[in-house]
Amino acid sequence: DGGITQSPKYLFRKEGQNVTLSCEQNLNHDAMYWYRQDPGQGLRLIYYSQIVNDFQKGDIAEGYSVSREKKESFPLTVTSAQKNPTAFYLCASRRDGRNTGELFFGEGSRLTVL
Amino acid sequence: RKEVEQDPGPFNVPEGATVAFNCTYSNSASQSFFWYRQDCRKEPKLLMSVYSSGNEDGRFTAQLNRASQYISLLIRDSKLSDSATYLCVVNAVVRATDSWGKLQFGAGTQVVVTP
Repeated sequence: DGGITQSPKYLFRKEGQNVTLSCEQNLNHDAMYWYRQDPGQGLRLIYYSQIVNDFQKGDIAEGYSVSREKKESFPLTVTSAQKNPTAFYLCASRRDGRNTGELFFGEGSRLTVL
Repeated sequence: RKEVEQDPGPFNVPEGATVAFNCTYSNSASQSFFWYRQDCRKEPKLLMSVYSSGNEDGRFTAQLNRASQYISLLIRDSKLSDSATYLCVVNAVVRATDSWGKLQFGAGTQVVVTP
């Protein structure tokens, strides 16, 4: 079955540590996104990529980094520079970034900083 | 002002009743609209795309009002399984020369269907 796989589902990190969240899709989608969700807030865009080897900052990119070396993979690194990293992280993909088309989400990664 | 606004609720609905709620958006260049459903601690999943003429999918009806810049979702004959948070998603073209849209999410409307 086609879909998006995120790992790990749950992650605990000590302050000062970097952590990388994996996102893989086999939908052959061009566009991939990383969102952060906090309680009572809408999804906020961290980074997005419309094509391999290219990505753009979203609304809250500070303290995060990404890469897009392969079409199917878009990992997110939460660095120690991110001041409040505890959140639910969602990876999504879309056939392309144009005005139509469903956004497909992975199951999410819940990061807790101890 | 937020670009996409929703009443957070919760809307407490007796089983079998009808519930409706709106989502307002600020960018008049918005071109496509969606309702997503999100269960507690799960990922959002597409419920409906919203077409300009309005559309219906079983017990769910979505409407678009471009003049007043809002979309609505109506759920008829509510089921216990309809309890969830409903996210409004709006896609707007940021620049006239750019066909790649920017997706904006509302914070969601919580619906609780009670027996």
